[in-house]
Amino acid sequence: RKEVEQDPGPFNVPEGATVAFNCTYSNSASQSFFWYRQDCRKEPKLLMSVYSSGNEDGRFTAQLNRASQYISLLIRDSKLSDSATYLCVVIPGNDYKLSFGAGTTVTVRA
Amino acid sequence: GAVVSQHPSWVICKSGTSVKIECRSLDFQATTMFWYRQFPKKSLMLMATSNEGSKATYEQGVEKDKFLINHASLTLSTLTVTSAHPEDSSFYICSARVLGTSDYNEQFFGPGTRLTVL
Repeated sequence: RKEVEQDPGPFNVPEGATVAFNCTYSNSASQSFFWYRQDCRKEPKLLMSVYSSGNEDGRFTAQLNRASQYISLLIRDSKLSDSATYLCVVIPGNDYKLSFGAGTTVTVRA
Repeated sequence: GAVVSQHPSWVICKSGTSVKIECRSLDFQATTMFWYRQFPKKSLMLMATSNEGSKATYEQGVEKDKFLINHASLTLSTLTVTSAHPEDSSFYICSARVLGTSDYNEQFFGPGTRLTVL
């Protein structure tokens, strides 16, 4: 079983729509969780960390469900510039190694 | 945020040649750098952890003699793909962890190197 699994999508949504997707992780001892954004042929860039209590950054809301071992990302009022692949990242151990999901592709259309 | 550079950004080479990729932290010191490989539509796969002044730690299934890593200073790590073959064609990305921080967020990615082996 993969450490981090994501629905690859793509999610095709109109501008202004809300889109949400999840990511599951296999190691119940994982402590740190992140969402990264990756544009085509570019490096990943940190979008936001995911905290146990859930957190919001502008139009982006992240949630963590430890019992079911998944994290979620919700994007409100989608913009064309939100089109990207969103990578779920987990640190499963005590080192600083990141485990990446394969990414969820979101396409926002005008 | 901190800046990490990679050179070259893309390279095309013939099968059997060796290719060196540099990863530099431009405005901070990094005791630890990580090397990843990403195939199209796949996740980033950690290849190895590069530690300044010591041997790299390779992930299971990654050939250390094939992918030579040298971390000679606190700002530079190099990955050499030896005797490259077409199946080594991929997007190679490094990341650097800021010296002295325990914050897991403090890991910055280079822009990646796209390797194509003919």
